[in-house]
Amino acid sequence: EDQVTQSPEALRLQEGESSSLNCSYTVSGLRGLFWYRQDPGKGPEFLFTLYSAGEEKEKERLKATLTKKESFLHITAPKPEDSATYLCAVQAPPNSNSGYALNFGKGTSLLVTP
Amino acid sequence: SQTIHQWPATLVQPVGSPLSLECTVEGTSNPNLYWYRQAAGRGLQLLFYSVGIGQISSEVPQNLSASRPQDRQFILSSKKLLLSDSGFYLCAWSVGGQGFQPQHFGDGTRLSIL
Repeated sequence: EDQVTQSPEALRLQEGESSSLNCSYTVSGLRGLFWYRQDPGKGPEFLFTLYSAGEEKEKERLKATLTKKESFLHITAPKPEDSATYLCAVQAPPNSNSGYALNFGKGTSLLVTP
Repeated sequence: SQTIHQWPATLVQPVGSPLSLECTVEGTSNPNLYWYRQAAGRGLQLLFYSVGIGQISSEVPQNLSASRPQDRQFILSSKKLLLSDSGFYLCAWSVGGQGFQPQHFGDGTRLSIL
């Protein structure tokens, strides 16, 4: 069964203190790995898609990387406005029931304090 | 640009009452549409998936149903709500006919069953 595990569950950083979030996955035939940001009471907001090992994507203070077994979301010099839950999801080959559905991890709740 | 709308934002319903949640997408044609439920500590669970009008796939058996009466309209329904139906319901869309594409989420409906 496909699984996505995110760690840590929660992370508290001081403003400017860089760190990384981890997403480990087991899926046969990965078709894409996606990172989302979710603010309280809102839907997930798409950040990045990674398709193959070695790929990297950057957006402002965020950088996502992908290996054959895991992905990292690096946060450089975070600010309080980066506080949110970060979700990782993988897309496996489509099947008759779920098509192109995503399999989500439970997320990492990030709090950045001033 | 594409936008997705969900309503209502919050809903409080008694056990045994019916349910209708609506989702519409603007700015794209023939999207793939999805209904997810997000429960605390359990991540996002796919409920239904649709690749076109009248085409609905169910991921898990339950007392919920979905319909797609128009290309960009997706409706989640129930005839009789259970306490276990409480949660945060999210609608999402992705580019139709393609894998490898991210899903884009609405802002969700918080459903509380009393």
